[in-house]
Amino acid sequence: EAGVTQSPTHLIKTRGQQATLRCSPISGHTSVYWYQQALGLGLQFLLWYDEGEERNRGNFPPRFSGRQFPNYSSELNVNALELEDSALYLCASSLPWASGVTDTQYFGPGTRLTVL
Amino acid sequence: GIQVEQSPPDLILQEGANSTLRCNFSDSVNNLQWFHQNPWGQLINLFYIPSGTKQNGRLSATTVATERYSLLYISSSQTTDSGVYFCAVREDNFNKFYFGSGTKLNVKP
Repeated sequence: EAGVTQSPTHLIKTRGQQATLRCSPISGHTSVYWYQQALGLGLQFLLWYDEGEERNRGNFPPRFSGRQFPNYSSELNVNALELEDSALYLCASSLPWASGVTDTQYFGPGTRLTVL
Repeated sequence: GIQVEQSPPDLILQEGANSTLRCNFSDSVNNLQWFHQNPWGQLINLFYIPSGTKQNGRLSATTVATERYSLLYISSSQTTDSGVYFCAVREDNFNKFYFGSGTKLNVKP
């Protein structure tokens, strides 16, 4: 069974540009989570999507946004890029939170975003 | 939000040694996971353990939810165990996950 996939692996942008990151969850998973991991730091929760809706977001400015498509894949958009947005962006998927089963998160390999 | 503290922040072991990593959290949780992040950034699930004890080979974990802590035990460590170990929790009735700052483990041959 395929795991969580993310694209691109690396992304280089300049300040002020927009970045789009993509995530495909494990088959059967409807929840997708996005995290930011700045160099040498822990993971900061960005966004949670479930069944096509945004369920919650972390303490990030509105220029961080995203969406979930009918096939449960997801896109993270970062507008007006700043130097401090340089980080590893990780996507995770799980079974539906309300399913009553263990909603273990499984992570993709990440997208490393560099803002110059 | 919930506070998650991991200790120690750094740990150096000789191959074959045992270790215990700790995760303290400040409020009741309904989801707790341990992850290992390899040098390439990939996060690998180790345990889903909101309560109780689980074992998987040389690794085991215990969560005492009433006392708000979890422990990860690594026995007979190997160089491939090197990396950063994260604990992650989700608060009861909330939909946000919180990660600790991690324990960086270096196992020397």
